[in-house]
Amino acid sequence: EPEVTQTPSHQVTQMGQEVILRCVPISNHLYFYWYRQILGQKVEFLVSFYNNEISEKSEIFDDQFSVERPDGSNFTLKIRSTKLEDSAMYFCASRRDKNTGELFFGEGSRLTVL
Amino acid sequence: KQEVTQIPAALSVPEGENLVLNCSFTDSAIYNLQWFRQDPGKGLTSLLLIQSSQREQTSGRLNASLDKSSGRSTLYIAASQPGDSATYLCAVKGNTPLVFGKGTRLSVIA
Repeated sequence: EPEVTQTPSHQVTQMGQEVILRCVPISNHLYFYWYRQILGQKVEFLVSFYNNEISEKSEIFDDQFSVERPDGSNFTLKIRSTKLEDSAMYFCASRRDKNTGELFFGEGSRLTVL
Repeated sequence: KQEVTQIPAALSVPEGENLVLNCSFTDSAIYNLQWFRQDPGKGLTSLLLIQSSQREQTSGRLNASLDKSSGRSTLYIAASQPGDSATYLCAVKGNTPLVFGKGTRLSVIA
């Protein structure tokens, strides 16, 4: 069964360092997302991406964040200068149809900022 | 702004019991509602997707219902097993990206 894959599963970094989280969405999906979950809190939307551009972003997704689809398969989330409060589980997700399609999530990348 | 609430926050039941998890949402203008399962430290596994035009969906021992006009959904788990222990999340898709509830943490005791 096709699945969304994410790497790394866990990354530890120092405050102020740049981090890139990688995702391979399901191959015939067109809409890609990043969500995050701070420990013990709700899953929160960060950004959606379609047709090689950001279609929507939350207020969490400030200038420190960026997304890219560098080739036909990978979808990346970059945090330029990490802060302690960026420590969270980051989930990539994809779906085929914008509104009616089922959303499939990866296993997540746990980011720990020291 | 869409708000999703799940009750109860935690539930502990003996093995074999049937149970119901509740989800409510404030804006009934939705496309669909999705139930997920999350094991500790893991990703989100999609369980059921109900489109706004549907009343219920079934998968194995799971049955999800949707009452869009009243802003409610329930997830019914029949004959619960210890392997069902996890956090169950409800999420709603409207004109905004998927909005999640905080989840119900289920423990099924053998």
